[in-house]
Amino acid sequence: AQTVTQSQPEMSVQEAETVTLSCTYDTSENNYYLFWYKQPPSRQMILVIRQEAYKQQNATENRFSVNFQKAAKSFSLKISDSQLGDTAMYFCAFRVSDNYGQNFVFGPGTRLSVLP
Amino acid sequence: GAGVSQTPSNKVTEKGKYVELRCDPISGHTALYWYRQSLGQGPEFLIYFQGTGAADDSGLPNDRFFAVRPEGSVSTLKIQRTERGDSAVYLCASSLGPTGLTEAFFGQGTRLTVV
Repeated sequence: AQTVTQSQPEMSVQEAETVTLSCTYDTSENNYYLFWYKQPPSRQMILVIRQEAYKQQNATENRFSVNFQKAAKSFSLKISDSQLGDTAMYFCAFRVSDNYGQNFVFGPGTRLSVLP
Repeated sequence: GAGVSQTPSNKVTEKGKYVELRCDPISGHTALYWYRQSLGQGPEFLIYFQGTGAADDSGLPNDRFFAVRPEGSVSTLKIQRTERGDSAVYLCASSLGPTGLTEAFFGQGTRLTVV
C-alpha cells in the first residue's frame, strides 16, 4: 500500500518570502507520479505542480518548484515570492503508473498562511 | 460547463435517510473519481470509473455506499441509511484518461451533514 506523509500541519510565511512544504511517501513501486494540489477555502482542488518519478530533473511552474529525492522518497514544494493568494491547504499526492487508473493517494495536508 | 460540477453544494439530512450526490464531469473525460474529505484531513479515495464501469471500488467503506455512471458521463454517489459519521465533503474529479501524469480536475464538492 502507498502512503503519503506531510509532517507540517500548519505553516506561515511573510508575503514575498520563500517557504518549503515537506512531503514523504512510501511505495514499493518504481514508476509513479507525484503531485501537489492546492485547496483554497472554496474547496476546489487545484493542481500546482506534478513530477514523473523517472525524471531526475525537478519540475518547475513559475513560482513553484519541487525538490524530488527518489531514494529518500521525498517530494517537497518550494513557493517563492509568496503571495496572499497562496493561502490555502496544500496536499501532496501519489499515483502509480499503470493502465488501470490507480487513484490518487493524498497526504493529510499542510495549511499555509501567507501573512501581509 | 467548463469545469467539474457537483450538486448540491451543501446537503443536510437526517440520520437514516437516503441521499444522492451528483457529479457532472468535464465533457470528454472518461475517468471519474469520487473522494471523501473529512474535516482537517486529505481526500480519501472511494471509487473510480473508467467509462461506465467501476474499475476500482475498493474505497467504498461499506455496502451503504454505491455509485453509478450509466452513460459514461454524469455520476451519482448514493448513500443509504446515512449515519452521522458520513458527514464530510464529497469530492468528484475527472480526467481525460486514467493514466499517470494526466491531471485530475476537481469539483467544489458537496458538503454532507447528517444530523
